[in-house]
Amino acid sequence: DIQLTQSPSSLSASVGDRVTITCRASQIINKYLNWYQHKPGKAPRLLIYGASNLQGGVPSRFSGGGSGTEFSLTISSLQPEDSATYYCQQSYSPLSFGQGTRLEIK
Amino acid sequence: QLQLQESGPGLVKPSETLSLTCTVSGGSISSRSNYWGWIRQPPGRGLEWIGSIYYSGTTYYNPSLKSRVTISVDTSKNQFFLNLTSVTATDTAVYYCARLPSNWNYGGFDPWGLGTLVTVSS
Repeated sequence: DIQLTQSPSSLSASVGDRVTITCRASQIINKYLNWYQHKPGKAPRLLIYGASNLQGGVPSRFSGGGSGTEFSLTISSLQPEDSATYYCQQSYSPLSFGQGTRLEIK
Repeated sequence: QLQLQESGPGLVKPSETLSLTCTVSGGSISSRSNYWGWIRQPPGRGLEWIGSIYYSGTTYYNPSLKSRVTISVDTSKNQFFLNLTSVTATDTAVYYCARLPSNWNYGGFDPWGLGTLVTVSS
């Protein structure tokens, strides 16, 4: 089975900062990688699919990149509402998620 | 607009079976464009995929849960279901249902239900 390792596990940044979260897969997964934002008490929200495609309605400050085994989620200018936990998820079966990255706004 | 809603008991006794229903509205569960999935999140932990089903009944399960999980579908009611047998306290979690595109290599879970907390306790 494919394992996903996210780094960092948590981070704190200021409004306006550029933030990057990485996700490493234990095997090559081409571009079969998605990113989610999850806030407490709410449903997770799909941000990026296919490694770099922005889901409809998601602000353009979010972007994804990578292929193979190394992937990234970047927030170009951090906003207060971006405080959340972010998960990567790979789309080879069996599906799996990374352990999450908790993003705090200073 | 497609919406999903989980329902079922919030409390299940150890060794019993956890049963949940996901009701789909705003679209047909028989759409060939979609799979349907269950995902859970134990308290303080990350997301775990449980399994997915196609309207035809084709299923895929997480190997770590496969021996205890059954996912089924009722197209006449636009619902799909989760049964998890022999539960223990480690099965306590918020359970979500979500849609997955049929070509799931190039798509993610979207939308999701709001989730339902299931506690396993005597």
